[in-house]
Amino acid sequence: NAGVTQTPKFQVLKTGQSMTLQCAQDMNHNSMYWYRQDPGMGLRLIYYSASEGTTDKGEVPNGYNVSRLNKREFSLRLESAAPSQTSVYFCASSFGSTNTEAFFGQGTRLTVV
Amino acid sequence: DAKTTQPNSMESNEEEPVHLPCNHSTISGTDYIHWYRQLPSQGPEYVIHGLTSNVNNRMASLAIAEDRKSSTLILHRATLRDAAVYYCILRDLNDYKLSFGAGTTVTVRA
Repeated sequence: NAGVTQTPKFQVLKTGQSMTLQCAQDMNHNSMYWYRQDPGMGLRLIYYSASEGTTDKGEVPNGYNVSRLNKREFSLRLESAAPSQTSVYFCASSFGSTNTEAFFGQGTRLTVV
Repeated sequence: DAKTTQPNSMESNEEEPVHLPCNHSTISGTDYIHWYRQLPSQGPEYVIHGLTSNVNNRMASLAIAEDRKSSTLILHRATLRDAAVYYCILRDLNDYKLSFGAGTTVTVRA
């Protein structure tokens, strides 16, 4: 039972490079989320997708784009990476109702130099 | 969004209970109270949630004040594995977002 799978686990980028973080869930969840966590801080919501075909901005969307490819997959793209985007990125999913729990992936540790 | 206030840190001894307070004085009638925890170098994991009544599960208990302006997460017998950051989160019935604050860092002494 894989749950929420994120790839890659680690990545180093040069300033200005682009990359896509992948997230997939196998729990048939409707909602998916992308968060970032800077050292010593709590998680901040970047984007979320309440259901397949919809995406919405969270607290810190600038510099990111997302794609809800299908019900299982939700990707996060950095078009032109900046050192300020150095962080740990977490993907999460939930059935959709606020009365249910969210499941998180193990994170992608991204360093932009 | 309704906000929560938690102490920055708490310490406990192994096998003793831990009571983690959370204040949410501006809670609305449609806000659920959720608790998550984050072990070192891992993603957050769900602990418990409730609306009005106290809740128990295999991990913890959630005690909700009668006026719902505060709640307490209770770990009945702390183990070293319970050392983590604990987040108290209000989640509106009509809102898909799950917004994290700074949380409480729990240290368990052997």
